[in-house]
Amino acid sequence: QQPVQSPQAVILREGEDAVINCSSSKALYSVHWYRQKHGEAPVFLMILLKGGEQKGHEKISASFNEKKQQSSLYLTASQLSYSGTYFCGTVPSGSARQLTFGSGTQLTVLP
Amino acid sequence: EAQVTQNPRYLITVTGKKLTVTCSQNMNHEYMSWYRQDPGLGLRQIYYSMNVEVTDKGDVPEGYKVSRKEKRNFPLILESPSPNQTSLYFCASSNRQGRTDTQYFGPGTRLTVL
Repeated sequence: QQPVQSPQAVILREGEDAVINCSSSKALYSVHWYRQKHGEAPVFLMILLKGGEQKGHEKISASFNEKKQQSSLYLTASQLSYSGTYFCGTVPSGSARQLTFGSGTQLTVLP
Repeated sequence: EAQVTQNPRYLITVTGKKLTVTCSQNMNHEYMSWYRQDPGLGLRQIYYSMNVEVTDKGDVPEGYKVSRKEKRNFPLILESPSPNQTSLYFCASSNRQGRTDTQYFGPGTRLTVL
């Protein structure tokens, strides 16, 4: 079952902040975040394992609340290069099931 | 250079004509998988392989076959393609099971079935 991402799309100006949410109906072992630019392959951003840790990647960070089965991706002081589609992927706990991606959030950063 | 390659990058075919999309990685990764990407649906896993001769179904396996005879290669086979298999396909690999490791994606194969 696919995780649910919100919002589906967001438009912001350079320098503004954005939050993308990812939620699952299942208990999670890990949450993965990827970014895909138009016409390109998805590129890894970060992985969060259960334990509620927060990780960072330049001005992009993420949190994982395993009790709520939710993860959020934070983009701070967004740059034009942040534009693209962001996907979260989830791996359920206690299962051999593999990574399942959400439907994506399209982020557009305007000058 | 570490990479995942796919061939062909673009393919237009007709219903029922068997085709194979090749995927190869040069990172000695154990785990490989195939995804299809459709507008509004994100990336959906077709099949995955945890090692040579070990494959399993993903979320949308119907109409596809795979094989893993060598560690580096993981071809996707459509024995009788249909128009609903028109999509963008990505192959990916990672070092271990994929549950905790970075997945490296190939450049994608855009398939059109007429």
